[in-house]
Amino acid sequence: EAQLVESGGTVVQPGGSLRLSCAASGFTFDDYAMHWVRQAAGEGLEWVSLISWDGSEISYADSVKGRFTVSRDNNKKSLYLQMNSLRAEDTALYYCAKDMGSTTGSDDGFDIWGQGTKVTVAS
Amino acid sequence: SYELTQPLSVSVALGQTAKISCGGNKIGSRNVHWYQQKPGQAPVLVIYRDHNRPSGIPERFSGSYSKSTATLTVSSAQAEDEADYYCQMWDSSTVVFGGGTKLTVL
Repeated sequence: EAQLVESGGTVVQPGGSLRLSCAASGFTFDDYAMHWVRQAAGEGLEWVSLISWDGSEISYADSVKGRFTVSRDNNKKSLYLQMNSLRAEDTALYYCAKDMGSTTGSDDGFDIWGQGTKVTVAS
Repeated sequence: SYELTQPLSVSVALGQTAKISCGGNKIGSRNVHWYQQKPGQAPVLVIYRDHNRPSGIPERFSGSYSKSTATLTVSSAQAEDEADYYCQMWDSSTVVFGGGTKLTVL
């Protein structure tokens, strides 16, 4: 069974840093692009970042550009999100999600989602 | 930045048909995907590439589009279909979600 499991979420002070991880299993990880999507409490889904199957193509939402860095290790079947200069508005549940395609601009949906890891930015 | 517009809420009587709209001026030129999210759970893909159902999704879920509006239709709505629904599209190399629609089954 295909599965994604996020980890790394915690409480961090404004201006701090955090690294989220997402472990994949049950599918050929290096065939697919991967995404981070976040959801603040009681709010809708907000796309954060994507990385192509081989890491050569990366894209970010304007709200995190310059502060967040996405990466992947296909040997470890893992996706990462390095979050720097964190703000209160970054507080959310962070999901990793598998694209049905392999590249940026795949025009495809996300068919597998993890259960999310919670990030709280507060002093 | 590109936006997708959804109604905040839609209500449907048990066993009737619900239609959830998603508006955007690039609809028709790129695929629309739909997700269902129940409280405390991760989103689930229910329609991809405008009208395709993933395996395991009931046939009562269907998707379509016309001009600048995509529509998710839930036929013969069941109590378990009560959830938030989000449309999603790609805009160049970024991704956009609609604001979400809460479907209430009465």
